[in-house]
Amino acid sequence: QKEVEQNSGPLSVPEGAIASLNCTYSDRVSQSFFWYRQYSGKSPELIMSIYSNGDKEDGRFTAQLNKASQYVSLLIRDSQPSDSATYLCAVMGNEKLTFGTGTRLTIIP
Amino acid sequence: NAGVTQTPKFQVLKTGQSMTLQCAQDMNHNSMYWYRQDPGMGLRLIYYSASEGTTDKGEVPNGYNVSRLNKREFSLRLESAAPSQTSVYFCASSPNNEKLFFGSGTQLSVL
Repeated sequence: QKEVEQNSGPLSVPEGAIASLNCTYSDRVSQSFFWYRQYSGKSPELIMSIYSNGDKEDGRFTAQLNKASQYVSLLIRDSQPSDSATYLCAVMGNEKLTFGTGTRLTIIP
Repeated sequence: NAGVTQTPKFQVLKTGQSMTLQCAQDMNHNSMYWYRQDPGMGLRLIYYSASEGTTDKGEVPNGYNVSRLNKREFSLRLESAAPSQTSVYFCASSPNNEKLFFGSGTQLSVL
């Protein structure tokens, strides 16, 4: 079992709709959770971090964490074509940051 | 503000050749990292340095060596390149071992 799992996609969402990206992790002692966005041919950039159960909102982005289910998600409201990218989930546990393989998101105008 | 600077951006090597990827950051971060990114494999940690003078192996260290020359610079060396090392390499730095700032990447092809 991979330590951090994501559906590779591609996930296609109409412009203006909500995009939902999911991630599961295997290490129960994980404490910190991150979402990075990576445009094609570019480097990853951090867009969200979450440390406790529940929701964390930042503009059009909401990160959700459920430690009991070992599940973290990213919701993007009012999706825009500029949101088309690969989204990487990253989990910090035992001082090690582990990345998922990423979900490719395409917003359809 | 340059952030994390990697050189070169592209490189083609023949099997058995050696090369060094350079990385420098100007954000006064203690931690620096080298990752490789392959299709379907995500980002995999090669080596990291928690502070000047220290380096540790990551998930895929075989075939690589690193040097933390000073707080700013962290280089990655391939002593004898192999086709399996064809990849995109990212250097990153972090102030707290959590939020990573990435360089623009090096696309390496080994023929």
